[in-house]
Amino acid sequence: QVQLVESGGGVVQPGGSLRLSCAASGFTFSRCGMHWVRQAPGKGLEWVAFIRFDGSNKFYADSVKGRFTISRDNSKNTLYLQMNSLRVEDTAVYYCAKDPVDYNTSPNWFDPWGQGTLVTVSS
Amino acid sequence: DIVMTQSPDSLAVSLGERATINCKSSQSVLYRSNNKNYLAWYQQKPGQPPKLLISWASTRESGVPDRFSGSGSGTDFTLTISSLQAEDVAVYYCQQYYNTPPATFGGGTKVEIK
Repeated sequence: QVQLVESGGGVVQPGGSLRLSCAASGFTFSRCGMHWVRQAPGKGLEWVAFIRFDGSNKFYADSVKGRFTISRDNSKNTLYLQMNSLRVEDTAVYYCAKDPVDYNTSPNWFDPWGQGTLVTVSS
Repeated sequence: DIVMTQSPDSLAVSLGERATINCKSSQSVLYRSNNKNYLAWYQQKPGQPPKLLISWASTRESGVPDRFSGSGSGTDFTLTISSLQAEDVAVYYCQQYYNTPPATFGGGTKVEIK
């Protein structure tokens, strides 16, 4: 079955950096666009970034543009999110999620989701 | 960006009764060429990631109980739980994928037992 396992979360000071990973299994990773979606404590869902199946195109939410970079290694079935210049308001659980449409080039819906990894930005 | 607005923020329903959640988009998410509404619904139980319930506004995912149904078109949508069960306690989100990026979510509706 499809499995997505995030890692790399933790506590970081404002202005710091963190790299999240998402290990994928149970499907052909290289066919699928992938997303990062976050959820601040007690708040709703916010789409963060999308990467095309082949990594050739990437989209970002305005709130993270220029600070976060999404990437993937199809040989390792792994998705990444490099987060730089972190702010207190970036504190959230970060989920990776699969786009359901093979070879899709822009975001659709999200299915399934990983369990998430918590990023806390605090001094 | 398309803004998604859900109502109510929360509702309490007796076991076996109907729960109705509304979702309104700031512009139509109906693609006329294929007559499809680009809207999904998710369920998030406490401490768990969201789970996809419905895509294309009314297409239930495999394994989702048939007491869950989605309806609506254009800008106004509804998620209905026909007979609330204890395991349905959760927060429910709508999401549009008509005009992305960004994909945008409603603020969520918390469903509790009365």
